[in-house]
Amino acid sequence: NAGVMQNPRHLVRRRGQEARLRCSPMKGHSHVYWYRQLPEEGLKFMVYLQKENIIDESGMPKERFSAEFPKEGPSILRIQQVVRGDSAAYFCASSPAQGVNTEAFFGQGTRLTVV
Amino acid sequence: GENVEQHPSTLSVQEGDSAVIKCTYSDSASNYFPWYKQELGKGPQLIIDIRSNVGEKKDQRIAVTLNKTAKHFSLHITETQPEDSAVYFCAASAWGKLQFGAGTQVVVTP
Repeated sequence: NAGVMQNPRHLVRRRGQEARLRCSPMKGHSHVYWYRQLPEEGLKFMVYLQKENIIDESGMPKERFSAEFPKEGPSILRIQQVVRGDSAAYFCASSPAQGVNTEAFFGQGTRLTVV
Repeated sequence: GENVEQHPSTLSVQEGDSAVIKCTYSDSASNYFPWYKQELGKGPQLIIDIRSNVGEKKDQRIAVTLNKTAKHFSLHITETQPEDSAVYFCAASAWGKLQFGAGTQVVVTP
């Protein structure tokens, strides 16, 4: 059973470009969470999704950031018109379908560098 | 919203000694408290968790305690080994999303 898969592992974008980060949850998991981690800092919640639904996006910046988790395929975190301050590690976690407050397993992250 | 505080920010221990990390939370609705270990360049790894209906849980050299009245929980690592060196994060959850503490850098010296 493969773990949470994130790709790419490293992404370099110029200011103003778009970044697309992908996350495939563990098999049987239908809850996906995105977190951002700045260098030497903790993990900050961004968004919580279930299949085709955004459950909680209270941690998402109001502009340029969006997330989706379609019926088929991976969850996507999209950052439009990237700026230097978007440089960070972005982690995805997934948890099983039986409800909230169950074990969440993280992927290896995507390290975004904006130049 | 939930606010999780974690102490200490760094912890240096001799191999074989114990390490203790403490966290407090603010939201009385939180009922799930996992701990994660993060090694350099990797994603957080779930090492142990505890739910609000339990006061203590142990898994080999790792144990967690929870005091719901005081809203604090702790991670205890006994007989530390060099491979325990990493950043450890506590988290609290009420409605699915995890709120993390700032992390503790643990260094185990041989």
